[in-house]
Formats: sequence, C-alpha cells, structure tokens
Amino acid sequence: EADIYQTPRYLVIGTGKKITLECSQTMGHDKMYWYQQDPGMELHLIHYSYGVNSTEKGDLSSESTVSRIRTEHFPLTLESARPSHTSQYLCASSDPTGNREKLFFGSGTQLSVL
Amino acid sequence: KNQVEQSPQSLIILEGKNCTLQCNYTVSPFSNLRWYKQDTGRGPVSLTIMTFSENTKSNGRYTATLDADTKQSSLHITASQLSDSASYICVVSDRGSTLGRLYFGRGTQLTVWP
Repeated sequence: EADIYQTPRYLVIGTGKKITLECSQTMGHDKMYWYQQDPGMELHLIHYSYGVNSTEKGDLSSESTVSRIRTEHFPLTLESARPSHTSQYLCASSDPTGNREKLFFGSGTQLSVL
Repeated sequence: KNQVEQSPQSLIILEGKNCTLQCNYTVSPFSNLRWYKQDTGRGPVSLTIMTFSENTKSNGRYTATLDADTKQSSLHITASQLSDSASYICVVSDRGSTLGRLYFGRGTQLTVWP
C-alpha cells in the first residue's frame, strides 16, 4: 500500500470559489505529479515537480497552479473554479529506480463544480 | 503521433474464467510498458513493468507479455475473481523522456460476474 494521501476525496463547490486539493506522501520521493482523469478517458498530466521549489506544467493545459515548499507536500490550487474543472484529480509520486521508476498514486479527489 | 490503444473497451466474464486484454502502441522510442489496475474511485496500482528486453512478466494471476517488434502487449488474467473487476490501464514510456511524459491508454473496464 502506497503512503500517498489526497484530501478531500470528494468536493462539490460553486462556480468562482477558490479551492486547494491536498496531496502528501511519506515515502520521501522527490518527484510528484498531478493528473486529471475524466470517466473512460486516459490520464492527463497537468503538473509535476522534481523536488522542492521545482514545478512544471504538464501536457494538458490547466488553469490550476501548484507549489512545492516541502518534499512531502504538493497541493494544487484553482483560483476560480468553473464547471469545466469537474473531473477526478490524481496525485502521484515516483521512486526512481532507473528504467523501472515506479509510480504510486493517491486515491484521488473527485471534484464537481456547480 | 505517440499513442496507446487498448481493446476491448469493456469486458464481462464469469468468475473463474480467464481473459486477455490487449494494448497496441505507437510510442517511439520505447523505454518500458506498464500495466495498472484501477478500482472504481481509486488511484491506479502498478501490476507489472516491462522493458524492451523482457517479453513476459507475472504478478500472481496476472501475466503480461510484450512484443516490442510489433508494439503489442497483452495482460492475461487467470482464474478471475470478483475483486478483479476494475479498469486495466496500459502505459508506455519513451526512452530518454521524463517519467512525467508517460502515454496512457483509456483502459479496459473488466467486470467479473459470480
């Protein structure tokens, strides 16, 4: 069982609200990621970090922002939520072992914006 | 264009039966191929990771095969159980890329009936 935690599990909010999705891991991994997943669709990378004070945008354009002040913590923030942000958000971290770098996922946050 | 295609999109089998899921990819160059299991409302969990030189990998009742020449992989599940009901996702990594640039399939939704 991976030690990576996401809160909240479910969130229903109104349009225009600011929200922060929390992600923490206790494995000491430097690399962390945020993915977005819609039902029946593939995961899309929206942000990643290779360590403290390192953040990069992923392949999918996103209006969210991230921060990495501590190794174990990688929160994602939406300044003004819209219905188009409704989706499942998955946080992950990786254990670098050469070509077999293993990815550990949290349980996800299901976000619904009304 | 780098892509990962999975088939079938969904599959229903009876408990105790075997099944095989397919993954075709066009990702090049190739580094490794991973199979993940994702239970409904949860994050994906790694089943197998195979590099270019490996053509089969087992994890309990799960056996993955890889043909790097034809760019095809399969996941065989033996003696299925109700707990095998989940989405199975094929993920391909290209050589030299950051782990954050994985290519995800849309998954095969497997349902096991008693």
